[in-house]
Amino acid sequence: NAGVTQTPKFQVLKTGQSMTLQCAQDMNHNSMYWYRQDPGMGLRLIYYSASEGTTDKGEVPNGYNVSRLNKREFSLRLESAAPSQTSVYFCASSGLTDTQYFGPGTRLTVL
Amino acid sequence: QQQVKQSPQSLIVQKGGISIINCAYENTAFDYFPWYQQFPGKGPALLIAIRPDVSEKKEGRFTISFNKSAKQFSLHIMDSQPGDSATYFCAASKMSGGSNYKLTFGKGTLLTVNP
Repeated sequence: NAGVTQTPKFQVLKTGQSMTLQCAQDMNHNSMYWYRQDPGMGLRLIYYSASEGTTDKGEVPNGYNVSRLNKREFSLRLESAAPSQTSVYFCASSGLTDTQYFGPGTRLTVL
Repeated sequence: QQQVKQSPQSLIVQKGGISIINCAYENTAFDYFPWYQQFPGKGPALLIAIRPDVSEKKEGRFTISFNKSAKQFSLHIMDSQPGDSATYFCAASKMSGGSNYKLTFGKGTLLTVNP
């Protein structure tokens, strides 16, 4: 099992460009999450999907959109990137237990 | 509004020593308190977690102590090893429908264990 995979690993964008971060899990988990991690800020929840077909806002949703494509995949889209969105983005998933399993992250720089 | 406050920001411990990281929360509805460990360039991974019906949980060298009345919980790492050097995050959430959808994280503690 690969667990939670994320693509790309690194990305550099110019202000105003758009991009989609991809996440997939092979653990048959119902719930999936997107977090951002900034120095000294911990992890902050952007959006989550409790189950296939549902999505909800987290703590910092502004400037982002998400799609739960199917049970395996949960994507995060930046429509018009801003320097404030420079961060490391983590996808996570959880199943019947309490544990959230995190992917390796995507390091995004917006110039 | 920071709902989970973590201290210290950084901690240096000698090999074999005890590492202690503290967290305090504000929302009395929180009922699930995990600790995550993160190595550089990796995603966080669950280390240990506790629910408020117990005051302590131990797994190997790692122990969570929980004080419901003070709204505080702490991570103790006994016999700290250089391989424990990582960033540690406490978190809290309110279980909903059997799942912890909204984890609120502390800001993290960078632990360095010197050989």
